[in-house]
Amino acid sequence: DTAVSQTPKYLVTQMGNDKSIKCEQNLGHDTMYWYKQDSKKFLKIMFSYNNKELIINETVPNRFSPKSPDKAHLNLHINSLELGDSAVYFCASSPREPSTGANVLTFGAGSRLTVL
Amino acid sequence: AQRVTQPEKLLSVFKGAPVELKCNYSYSGSPELFWYVQYSRQRLQLLLRHISRESIKGFTADLNKGETSFHLKKPFAQEEDSAMYYCALRTGTALIFGKGTTLSVSS
Repeated sequence: DTAVSQTPKYLVTQMGNDKSIKCEQNLGHDTMYWYKQDSKKFLKIMFSYNNKELIINETVPNRFSPKSPDKAHLNLHINSLELGDSAVYFCASSPREPSTGANVLTFGAGSRLTVL
Repeated sequence: AQRVTQPEKLLSVFKGAPVELKCNYSYSGSPELFWYVQYSRQRLQLLLRHISRESIKGFTADLNKGETSFHLKKPFAQEEDSAMYYCALRTGTALIFGKGTTLSVSS
């Protein structure tokens, strides 16, 4: 009964391919996020969705397209993969304010993407 | 600009020694700050948040608005404290993280 689950856990692919990472949360949270952790362990926000609506879209190449079919899912699709896309991608979720847990993120285990 | 700075990439201490992981922030509004921890082979998880004013696993952190700091402290480090620690600042509806500090506690 994992709270935030991501699949796949590992993904190895060639440059130029298109791939997706899926994320699901069973916490009933309204907000979901994608973060990228690079080789230096730096965590950077990519996207934030609140109840299926895009809230934050940081300066991420438009090859990255998040999709939220419902508030429990936030998938990340990446087109034309590049070497620099290699990283660990973390999905997270949080309840909406004024919940006392608002802004407390629950993270998934991460999906390690390696582009060859 | 909104920014979280963790100046130390690695902090190595002996078991029983005091620990202080530094965090400074830059934010024009009223800050809300957090410490997250990632133990080996585990997912990132919340350690503590400044509004709770609580001590978790012996760690405390006090928000100092004058110095724009939120340093994480523990009086006596344990080997199980070895992990990656991230300071985070709430900006709007997301958190921005510092670059993280690896804490290594040896016996």
